[in-house]
This record gives sequence, structure tokens and C-alpha cells, in this order.
Amino acid sequence: EVQLLESGGGLVQPGGSLTLSCAASGFTFNTYTMSWVRQAPDKRPEWVAVIRGNGGDIHYVDSVKGRFTISRDNSRNTLYLQMRNMRAEDTAIYFCVKGLNTGYYSNDWGHGTQVTVST
Amino acid sequence: DIQLTQSPSFLSASAGDRVTITCRASPAIYTHLAWYQQKPGKAPKLLISAASTLQSGVPPRFSGSGSETEFTLTINSLQPEDSANYFCQQIKSYPMTFGQGTRLEIK
Repeated sequence: EVQLLESGGGLVQPGGSLTLSCAASGFTFNTYTMSWVRQAPDKRPEWVAVIRGNGGDIHYVDSVKGRFTISRDNSRNTLYLQMRNMRAEDTAIYFCVKGLNTGYYSNDWGHGTQVTVST
Repeated sequence: DIQLTQSPSFLSASAGDRVTITCRASPAIYTHLAWYQQKPGKAPKLLISAASTLQSGVPPRFSGSGSETEFTLTINSLQPEDSANYFCQQIKSYPMTFGQGTRLEIK
């Protein structure tokens, strides 16, 4: 059974930093592309970033380029999202998604971790 | 970026009814479209991929159709458990955008 467990969310001040983790199990992690998708309260989901199984071919939505970094540690079956210079509009639930990429659908989402950027 | 415009934003219908949600894409996306159902406090659940492929375990009252710029999600014989938000998503190119959503209320 695929399990994706996000952690690391919390309250951070504008301009601050936070790193999210997603612990994966139930599949061969290093063979799957992984994405982060976020959803602000009562808004549509927003795809944030993607990384291939080998750690290459990384892409971001424009609103986070230069501020967020997606990475993975295949030895630990863990996906990361480093967030810097955070803004109020980064407030959302952040979901880790297995396999989601251009040309590929996914029904394997974590439960999400809440990130709030506020003073 | 590819824009997805969903309509309506809100839909109220009775159990047993048939409803249709539309998602318009600009520019065209062939059939690279998914439909999701999302209930409060939960992650989105994939209902349909490639515009019309029903996912395993999804009731056959759900169906999808369309290509290029216009897509529809149809739910036949509405059930109370279908009350949820529904989103379309394109996976043709980055960023993989979502429609703004349709809130479906079962009267």
C-alpha cells in the first residue's frame, strides 16, 4: 500500500523559511517522479514543483521559482521542499503526490501538511 | 500557461438527478485532462484520467468526455455522497494547472 506522510508544516513569519518532508513507503521510491501540490483555503489546488526519480529534470511554478527548492533522498525514501523568503500567499496545505507529471496522472496523494505564513 | 475555466462554480441538485460540469482549456490540450473529487479535509481523489478513463473503484455513474478545448464531467443518478468539490487538471505542460472548481450540493 502506498503511503505518503508529509511533515514539517507550521507557522512562519513573512520572509522566513521552512522545510517540508514527505516520507514514502509501499513502492519503489527511486523509480517515481514526485510532485508537491498546495491548496490555499477554499481555493483550487496549485501544482508547485516536480522532480524525477533520479533527482533530475526539476520544474517549478513561476510563483515559487528562486524561493523554493524540491529535492529527494532516495536512500531515505523521502521527498523535500525547502521554502525560503516566504509570503502570505504561500499559506496552504501542501500535498506530496506520487507520479504526477506531464503525461502522467496520479491518485496517490498524502494527507497534507499545513503551512501558515503570518505575523 | 494553460488556463482551465470550469463552470458552473456552484451546482445544487437532487439525489437521482444528472449533472454536467464543463472545463474549457486554452490553448488546446488534446485529452490530457483529469477530473478530481475533493471532500472537506481530504486530498483530491482522481476520478477520470485522459479525459474519459474511469479510475478503478469509481462508480460508473461518473463519466468524462471531450478533447482539445472542451471537456465535461457527467454524474448520473446523483447520490448524497457525491456532495463535494470537483476540479479539472491539465497535465499537458508545466505548470500543471487546475480549474477553479465546482461545488456540488445535493439537496
